[in-house]
Amino acid sequence: GESVGLHLPTLSVQEGDNSIINCAYSNSASDYFIWYKQESGKGPQFIIDIRSNMDKRQGQRVTVLLNKTVKHLSLQIAATQPGDSAVYFCAENIRGGSQGNLIFGKGTKLSVKP
Amino acid sequence: GAVVSQHPSRVICKSGTSVKIECRSLDFQATTMFWYRQFPKQSLMLMATSNEGSKATYEQGVEKDKFLINHASLTLSTLTVTSAHPEDSSFYICSARDRAGGYNEQFFGPGTRLTVL
Repeated sequence: GESVGLHLPTLSVQEGDNSIINCAYSNSASDYFIWYKQESGKGPQFIIDIRSNMDKRQGQRVTVLLNKTVKHLSLQIAATQPGDSAVYFCAENIRGGSQGNLIFGKGTKLSVKP
Repeated sequence: GAVVSQHPSRVICKSGTSVKIECRSLDFQATTMFWYRQFPKQSLMLMATSNEGSKATYEQGVEKDKFLINHASLTLSTLTVTSAHPEDSSFYICSARDRAGGYNEQFFGPGTRLTVL
């Protein structure tokens, strides 16, 4: 089965609130993680990444947290906007994996209510 | 920078015909390109990995004779769906890894919607 999964398949938040999207991974050899945003009918768009030697990384309005102890990854979006509505995927790279392939999680659909 | 394009964006074809999808890295050289398939409301599933100048590596369950991949240059990879059938209808997405780039960042194309009648 897939080694990357998500706790919540859908998430609905009010505009202006903070959003937290979670992801569980099972492969302890994973050393690089990426969050992607995919809008309907489009390809995935890079949001933020984190290496396994870090536990937190911040971008503009987004923060990724990595907890290697429990193999958990989260994406926090501050002051969620209607334009944030999309499906969010986490992806992992397994250290030494074949040609650096990424394994994608199932995705969480984020809906932002105005 | 790091733009990947795909052509066509959508294609409708009759069952039994072949369809070619192009993936181009516009402003960087890509030693490795990846092809994914995505069914509605599902995640991306890796089909194959192609390296410039060599044969593609296919994931388990993906028929290499049906999904022909050619990576003839550092900026172009093509996926040809041969003898397409309705079950091949899907969203096909490519990604490219920058030769000079970072850890393992992949840049994705906008996808190609294939509908087989």
